[in-house]
Amino acid sequence: AQTVTQSQPEMSVQEAETVTLSCTYDTSENNYYLFWYKQPPSRQMILVIRQEAYKQQNATENRFSVNFQKAAKSFSLKISDSQLGDTAMYFCAFMNPTSGTYKYIFGTGTRLKVLA
Amino acid sequence: DTEVTQTPKHLVMGMTNKKSLKCEQHMGHRAMYWYKQKAKKPPELMFVYSYEKLSINESVPSRFSPECPNSSLLNLHLHALQPEDSALYLCASSQPGRGNYGYTFGSGTRLTVV
Repeated sequence: AQTVTQSQPEMSVQEAETVTLSCTYDTSENNYYLFWYKQPPSRQMILVIRQEAYKQQNATENRFSVNFQKAAKSFSLKISDSQLGDTAMYFCAFMNPTSGTYKYIFGTGTRLKVLA
Repeated sequence: DTEVTQTPKHLVMGMTNKKSLKCEQHMGHRAMYWYKQKAKKPPELMFVYSYEKLSINESVPSRFSPECPNSSLLNLHLHALQPEDSALYLCASSQPGRGNYGYTFGSGTRLTVV
């Protein structure tokens, strides 16, 4: 069975600084997708970034980038130039498309607070 | 339209009440999901509908009854709930098979059972 681990329950960062959130996962599959979702106090889950396992290039979306290490089964999220609006709960998620269920396995989350 | 709309945003119901949660999307997504989320926890999958057919029921108690009347609409019917069912209920949709698999989530219904 697949598992996703986020070992940092809470983190804080100064505005404009860079922060990295860690995520590790366990799977025997070769084809899968990884995601980072952000859930601010407004509670809507927002897709931040996605990575396809067969792509070696790390995904980037503006200030957000990932460090995808497939052999190590690691998928960390780097937030550059942190902004107050980045304050949120961040969930790492795994999905195996060949299962046919499109079901996510979520990590337990990291609560990030950006300090002014 | 790139949104998933959930109504109501807040709901308080008694343990003997019957109520329904509604979820709507017009993105042409053919997979829709119900998740339950307790405070400071990740979402837990309840049901998956794929092409309007129930494909996953994660052993959810029968007091929760999902319904997918068409490809744009997903309902969750609630009856005889318990206080421990109080949670944020999230709906999501996705379009599988296009190499995407990213969900679009609604903003949720905050349910309180009294």
